[in-house]
Amino acid sequence: DSGVTQTPKHLITATGQRVTLRCSPRSGDLSVYWYQQSLDQGLQFLIQYYNGEERAKGNILERFSAQQFPDLHSELNLSSLELGDSALYFCASSVGPINYGYTFGSGTRLTVV
Amino acid sequence: SQQGEEDPQALSIQEGENATMNCSYKTSINNLQWYRQNSGRGLVHLILIRSNEREKHSGRLRVTLDTSKKSSSLLITASRAADTASYFCATQGSGGSNYKLTFGKGTLLTVNP
Repeated sequence: DSGVTQTPKHLITATGQRVTLRCSPRSGDLSVYWYQQSLDQGLQFLIQYYNGEERAKGNILERFSAQQFPDLHSELNLSSLELGDSALYFCASSVGPINYGYTFGSGTRLTVV
Repeated sequence: SQQGEEDPQALSIQEGENATMNCSYKTSINNLQWYRQNSGRGLVHLILIRSNEREKHSGRLRVTLDTSKKSSSLLITASRAADTASYFCATQGSGGSNYKLTFGKGTLLTVNP
């Protein structure tokens, strides 16, 4: 157990639907990062939050949004889902806003049918 | 876009042999990190080397960094079947881009018993 908790582990949903992925960072970590992993694109950085505020944005689609709550857990919302959104979604956390090594969760496998 | 590019894409060796994986990157970095991922699971941080360091050791791992060539290598000595996994290099950029890690597509290492 890495200390980063992601739920759910698996999610199967239909095209056009909306889902929410949840992440609880390791105790004491203030930064949360979201990554999407697919076979063709590899690990793509989506977004980073630090202590509730957005710090960096990567290749995140407009259909996707995220937030970090006062208790530091984070949610990634994916809407108007397409088949191509099927992927592993990872959350990672680190102590500060400037990363010196991530702790990854075990991921959420999203399948859009 | 990917910053790090690992080479080879796949490597198969016998238990007890050494495994060497290489990583090249394009822009200036603050540090470079190596992660391991067992099939479909979260990534695990292995080692970090800063831009002003040339070599670092951790157990059976040895990492080198050549900033003039923008390249790094990961050596795993006396490999074990349990080392079978994908290995990723990740770079943290210097300057304004240092909030996130950019990952390569990984090297799949298979250690045969």
